[in-house]
Amino acid sequence: DAGVIQSPRHEVTEMGQEVTLRCKPISGHDYLFWYRQTMMRGLELLIYFNNNVPIDDSGMPEDRFSAKMPNASFSTLKIQPSEPRDSAVYFCASSLFLWGGPDKPQHFGDGTRLSIL
Amino acid sequence: AQSVTQLDSQVPVFEEAPVELRCNYSSSVSVYLFWYVQYPNQGLQLLLKYLSGSTLVKGINGFEAEFNKSQTSFHLRKPSVHISDTAEYFCAVSDYYNTDKLIFGTGTRLQVFP
Repeated sequence: DAGVIQSPRHEVTEMGQEVTLRCKPISGHDYLFWYRQTMMRGLELLIYFNNNVPIDDSGMPEDRFSAKMPNASFSTLKIQPSEPRDSAVYFCASSLFLWGGPDKPQHFGDGTRLSIL
Repeated sequence: AQSVTQLDSQVPVFEEAPVELRCNYSSSVSVYLFWYVQYPNQGLQLLLKYLSGSTLVKGINGFEAEFNKSQTSFHLRKPSVHISDTAEYFCAVSDYYNTDKLIFGTGTRLQVFP
């Protein structure tokens, strides 16, 4: 089992640039989640998908953020234009059915550390 | 809406000492409770979960947690910690009617010293 794969692991870019974060969920998982982690706000759920359809995007901070899941094996989180306050670690997680009926927890990737200068 | 409060942002402890990481939650409905661990530069891993039944839940790496409904708490304990337990620990809650989403606490950094 390859686990949830995120790329890139680190991204440093200048303010105003477009940033695209990528996620490959575990094969067969129906749910995909995007989280943002900062020192000030902790771990926040941004958006999640079920069977490639966005279910709840109420955590997306503003219109500069967008997420897509064109197929069951790939999702992107895009920030355009980026701002220094977007600097954070962004995590992708996937799960089978819900977050975790027995033995079905959310599986997290190792995250993308984003720095906007 | 649910919320989770982790009362301690940092907990320093010596190796082989016992530790308790505190978690309190707020919800108007029944909840499911979780503890996750995050090692440096890694994602979160599930330590244990409370869904129903026995209020004492055992997880991986010798950790356990006790669900206390009257005190709305779900504290994490380990009788003897190791250096390798140094990590960030997150408590999370999901409500009975909206189990898609996990609400996380702000985390507690456990630092184990030799």
